Amino acid sequence: AQSVTQPDIHITVSEGASLELRCNYSYGATPYLFWYVQSPGQGLQLLLKYFSGDTLVQGIKGFEAEFKRSQSSFNLRKPSVHWSDAAEYFCAVGAQGGATNKLIFGTGTLLAVQP
Amino acid sequence: KAGVTQTPRYLIKTRGQQVTLSCSPISGHRSVSWYQQTPGQGLQFLFEYFSETQRNKGNFPGRFSGRQFSNSRSEMNVSTLELGDSALYLCASTQGERETQYFGPGTRLLVL
Repeated sequence: AQSVTQPDIHITVSEGASLELRCNYSYGATPYLFWYVQSPGQGLQLLLKYFSGDTLVQGIKGFEAEFKRSQSSFNLRKPSVHWSDAAEYFCAVGAQGGATNKLIFGTGTLLAVQP
Repeated sequence: KAGVTQTPRYLIKTRGQQVTLSCSPISGHRSVSWYQQTPGQGLQFLFEYFSETQRNKGNFPGRFSGRQFSNSRSEMNVSTLELGDSALYLCASTQGERETQYFGPGTRLLVL
């Protein structure tokens, strides 16, 4: 069965430090991959997506992610974290099997930013 | 373009009642999906509607149902509410097939 794993439940970084959030997926073919961010009490905002092509994708707010097929990973990175980046981050994969927009989400990584 | 809107934003119900949540997708989007978010289970797919037809359903009991109207607006209904139905219900819209889903702010349901 398809699945998405985010091994880090909670991460704390200092403001200005670099960030990498891990995401591993289980998928039989070329996946559609997404990173979303959620602030408390809010919906999900798309940070970036990978459908095909260049394996390094750029997103909003200075985020980027790299698709590595050999490692089944799609890790999210940011070179310098800002206090406003504190939120929960979700990795998701588009489900296989016919015409569907269903997403399968990881359990999320809660990011705290220290001043 | 206006984003995905959901109404109401907050709801308090008691066990055994039923509830209807509404979602208006981005103009021109034909697909609407619903997700339930809880601290224990995370984000779980409920169902997807495309051109008024349900084409995918998650692993939820029959108490959870939905529909889509000709203007792509969607509603979901939960009957005979249980305490465990307390959650944030998120709606997402997509223009076509396997494209980006844009999420609304959610409806927070509390069942007492």
